Amino acid sequence: ILNVEQSPQSLHVQEGDSTNFTCSFPSSNFYALHWYRWETAKSPEALFVMTLNGDEKKKGRISATLNTKEGYSYLYIKGSQPEDSATYLCAFMYSGGGADGLTFGKGTHLIIQP
Amino acid sequence: ETGVTQTPRHLVMGMTNKKSLKCEQHLGHNAMYWYKQSAKKPLELMFVYNFKEQTENNSVPSRFSPECPNSSHLFLHLHTLQPEDSALYLCASSQGRRDYGYTFGSGTRLTVV
Repeated sequence: ILNVEQSPQSLHVQEGDSTNFTCSFPSSNFYALHWYRWETAKSPEALFVMTLNGDEKKKGRISATLNTKEGYSYLYIKGSQPEDSATYLCAFMYSGGGADGLTFGKGTHLIIQP
Repeated sequence: ETGVTQTPRHLVMGMTNKKSLKCEQHLGHNAMYWYKQSAKKPLELMFVYNFKEQTENNSVPSRFSPECPNSSHLFLHLHTLQPEDSALYLCASSQGRRDYGYTFGSGTRLTVV
C-alpha cells in the first residue's frame, strides 16, 4: 500500500505572508510527483509534475521542490493572496509502466485571511 | 470548464436503483480514470483505462462497473449500492504519459439512501 502524507492538514495565513507545506511519499520505485490545487466547487487543477531528484518548478508566486532520495516535496507560496485559498493535493506515481493512476495525499487546506 | 465534463453533477439513488455516471473529454487524451472521494479520505483510484482498455481495477466492489466505449467517453454503472458509497466521484483524463498532469472533471456528488 502506497502512503502519501501531507502536512499540515490545514493552515491559516495572513494575506501577504509566505507559506509552505510538505508532501511525503515512498522513496523507492519513484516515477513522478504531482501537485494540484482544488478550489471549492471546482475541479482539481494541475500545478506541477516533477520527475527528477532536485527538481524545482515555479508558476508565478508558487514553487515546488523535490527530493526523491528522502521522499519529500515542498510547495511554497510567496506573498499569499485570497485567491490562493484552496486545498493543495500532492500525488505520487510509482515506476510500474503504463498509464497507472496516482496515489493522493489528503491535502493541505489553505485559508488566506485578509 | 476544464475540458472534462461529468454528468450528472448531483445524484440521489436508492439502494435498489441502477444508475450511470458519465464522463466525456475531447482533449485527445488516451487515458481516463475514475476516482472516489469520501469524507476525510484522500482521492482513491478506482479504475484506469488506457486506449479504451482497462489497465487497473483497484479492488473495487462489483457493484461499480466501468465502461469505456471509446477514448472520449467513460461511464460508471452503479447498482445495489450501499449508503457508504455516498461520495464525490471524479473523472480525469491524461495523455497517458506519466510526466503530464491530469485534467479533472467537476465530479458527481452521489448520495445513496
